[in-house]
Amino acid sequence: ETGVTQSPTHLIKTRGQQVTLRCSSQSGHNTVSWYQQALGQGPQFIFQYYREEENGRGNFPPRFSGLQFPNYSSELNVNALELDDSALYLCASSLTPGREYDEQFFGPGTRLTVL
Amino acid sequence: SQQGEEDPQALSIQEGENATMNCSYKTSINNLQWYRQNSGRGLVHLILIRSNEREKHSGRLRVTLDTSKKSSSLLITASRAADTASYFCATVGLAGKSTFGDGTTLTVKP
Repeated sequence: ETGVTQSPTHLIKTRGQQVTLRCSSQSGHNTVSWYQQALGQGPQFIFQYYREEENGRGNFPPRFSGLQFPNYSSELNVNALELDDSALYLCASSLTPGREYDEQFFGPGTRLTVL
Repeated sequence: SQQGEEDPQALSIQEGENATMNCSYKTSINNLQWYRQNSGRGLVHLILIRSNEREKHSGRLRVTLDTSKKSSSLLITASRAADTASYFCATVGLAGKSTFGDGTTLTVKP
């Protein structure tokens, strides 16, 4: 078990709604990355936060936004939900982005279903 | 397209046999990490190999990295039924962004 926690575990929303997912990073880690994993595929990088600033973003539209708080926990917000947003959302914490020895530790994920 | 691509997509072996999975990538990396994922759950970090390393071991796991061929392999020796899972490689670029392939699904039959 890593020290990374995510809430909620499961969530069901309808198209057009907004959702907020939460992640608490492992103690001592100041970097949080978010990933979207569709069924049968690998995780896709959404964005990364390092010391409360966005530090890189994948190919996701602006309706995917995030925050990192002073305690390094993080939120992922998705507006105007679409059916294709149904996926497992994973967050991962690490110590220092870009370092060659930097390991990422993943939380259990939030399963989002959009109806 | 994905940076890391695993091969094969699916692998089925008997308990006690060895399992080898391969990963290819396209651009320069800081490191490459292998993960295991049990059905629909979070990823478990298995091993990290840095760009200047060629081989690493951890228990029954052996990872190799060939930066000239932009490829890596994960060997699981003496497999067990509990090793049944999906295995992913993730390449970490110079900016710290991780890129995953679509994984290899390993089934170990008792």
